[in-house]
Amino acid sequence: GQNIDQPTEMTATEGAIVQINCTYQTSGFNGLFWYQQHAGEAPTFLSYNVLDGLEEKGRFSSFLSRSKGYSYLLLKELQMKDSASYLCALHRGGATNKLIFGTGTLLAVQP
Amino acid sequence: GAVVSQHPSRVICKSGTSVKIECRSLDFQATTMFWYRQFPKQSLMLMATSNEGSKATYEQGVEKDKFLINHASLTLSTLTVTSAHPEDSSFYICSAPTWGGAGVSDTQYFGPGTRLTVL
Repeated sequence: GQNIDQPTEMTATEGAIVQINCTYQTSGFNGLFWYQQHAGEAPTFLSYNVLDGLEEKGRFSSFLSRSKGYSYLLLKELQMKDSASYLCALHRGGATNKLIFGTGTLLAVQP
Repeated sequence: GAVVSQHPSRVICKSGTSVKIECRSLDFQATTMFWYRQFPKQSLMLMATSNEGSKATYEQGVEKDKFLINHASLTLSTLTVTSAHPEDSSFYICSAPTWGGAGVSDTQYFGPGTRLTVL
């Protein structure tokens, strides 16, 4: 199986830091993606982790631990426009090359 | 960057009719495209993998006779929802991957989505 779980909803305050977790159970994958999706729009790419560790990209950072089946997305200096759904997705690779999405986390940033 | 388009962006149809949705990669070739469905407040669910020159691969539980996929060229895949019913109302999104091997160039470009409403 490859259950990919995320918290359904989170609330945070403008200017703060928030961590969105993603846990999974899978037999193997190439890497893990994080996407941002505003309501009614397509997902936009945030990060792709292949190796264990933290990847920092501006206000957004993503972490992966393969041994623990765990990833998180860290958002710093939150802005109102960061209110959106955040989706983690496993990249299966190999012959299929497909993405399997997690349940998604709806983040609400409050003033 | 790579761009994927979808047409139409929004469609309303009567129950029992068929609806075709197009997905195009505008500045790159895609031998593989993916079709997703997303219900309100839910995540993306992979429906099928569209393969240029061969049959689509459907995920478990997706009816291949209801959701017809044709990958006519290296830049076009179509999804036809046949005999649509109200429960087929959803947001349909296609994507095309560019996998550069194990590296940071790996990504998947999403189309803007098609909102289907079946009355």
